[in-house]
Amino acid sequence: NAGVTQTPKFRVLKTGQSMTLLCAQDMNHEYMYWYRQDPGMGLRLIHYSVGEGTTAKGEVPDGYNVSRLKKQNFLLGLESAAPSQTSVYFCASSYSHDTGELFFGEGSRLTVL
Amino acid sequence: DAKTTQPPSMDCAEGRAANLPCNHSTISGNEYVYWYRQIHSQGPQYIIHGLKNNETNEMASLIITEDRKSSTLILPHATLRDTAVYYCIVRVAGLIKAAGNKLTFGGGTRVLVKP
Repeated sequence: NAGVTQTPKFRVLKTGQSMTLLCAQDMNHEYMYWYRQDPGMGLRLIHYSVGEGTTAKGEVPDGYNVSRLKKQNFLLGLESAAPSQTSVYFCASSYSHDTGELFFGEGSRLTVL
Repeated sequence: DAKTTQPPSMDCAEGRAANLPCNHSTISGNEYVYWYRQIHSQGPQYIIHGLKNNETNEMASLIITEDRKSSTLILPHATLRDTAVYYCIVRVAGLIKAAGNKLTFGGGTRVLVKP
């Protein structure tokens, strides 16, 4: 099993450009999450999904959109990138809503100039 | 979820036990204590969790005080590969499905294992 895979791993954008980060998991997990991590700080939840076709806002959702059209994929979109969105983005998944054990991807480093 | 307090950094010697403290004085009876670690440039990795009893697995031991206001993660024989940021997280049990499984990560403790 590959676990949780994120693509791309690195990306540089100009202000105002759009892009999509893809998260794929092969563990048949129901729940998926997008976090961001700024330098020297902990992770903050952007959006999450409790199942295929569902999404919900986390702690810092502004400027991002998400979609969960397939159970194994969770997409994070930036419609108009801003320098404040320069960060490392982590995707995670879990098999249950009542477990604190999340499986994380390796991260996607995004720089917005 | 209850807030946690951890020392920002600590060093330990390779081969020795590393004891990482966490204070969660406002923890509620239905809140678990979780520990994760994040090795440089990688995604966080689950280590262990507990409610009120001490727990042990192949990675570490978790000691929770009787009043549950603090806990200690023990890495029994620290290796250089254990150098990482360790996060102590308190999470409510029994969440409804719609609430998802959100974890709140604080600043953590930066652990440096030295030869």
